[in-house]
Amino acid sequence: DAGVIQSPRHEVTEMGQEVTLRCKPISGHNSLFWYRQTMMRGLELLIYFNNNVPIDDSGMPEDRFSAKMPNASFSTLKIQPSEPRDSAVYFCASGRGGAGYTFGSGTRLTVV
Amino acid sequence: GESVGLHLPTLSVQEGDNSIINCAYSNSASDYFIWYKQESGKGPQFIIDIRSNMDKRQGQRVTVLLNKTVKHLSLQIAATQPGDSAVYFCAEKDSSASKIIFGSGTRLSIRP
Repeated sequence: DAGVIQSPRHEVTEMGQEVTLRCKPISGHNSLFWYRQTMMRGLELLIYFNNNVPIDDSGMPEDRFSAKMPNASFSTLKIQPSEPRDSAVYFCASGRGGAGYTFGSGTRLTVV
Repeated sequence: GESVGLHLPTLSVQEGDNSIINCAYSNSASDYFIWYKQESGKGPQFIIDIRSNMDKRQGQRVTVLLNKTVKHLSLQIAATQPGDSAVYFCAEKDSSASKIIFGSGTRLSIRP
């Protein structure tokens, strides 16, 4: 089991550019979560999916953020256009049956 | 966002002593609780969980206690080791949803 795989590990981009973060959940897990972590706000839930369907996106900060899950093995979080205040570590997590949520190693995003 | 982390409390413990990390939650509908450990540069790592129909659960060197009356959760680490240095988060799940909401975290520091 390779765990939850996120890419890239680090991303540095200029303000205004589009950023796409990727996540491969653990095979067999039917829930997928995107979190953002900053020193000021801690770990915030942005959006989560059950069986590839978005269930709750109330944590998505603005329309600049969007997430998709085209199939059970892949999800993306896109920021367009990016802003410096989007700089954070973004984590993807997956789970099954409402328990045992496993996190990826995260993507550290820096927008300059 | 749904979790706030403006100030991270720190617990300093002598190596070999027991550590107790506390967490208060506010949602009476939460029925599942998890403790995560996050080391620098890594994603949160699952330590132990407990469901609301229990008040105590033990793992290897760790024990979680749940007091639903006062909405309090604690993590006890026996014989604390240098490798236990990390930030510890409690997380809760509402019985009506799959999403997990994180607390603000506690930094555990080990004195030699």
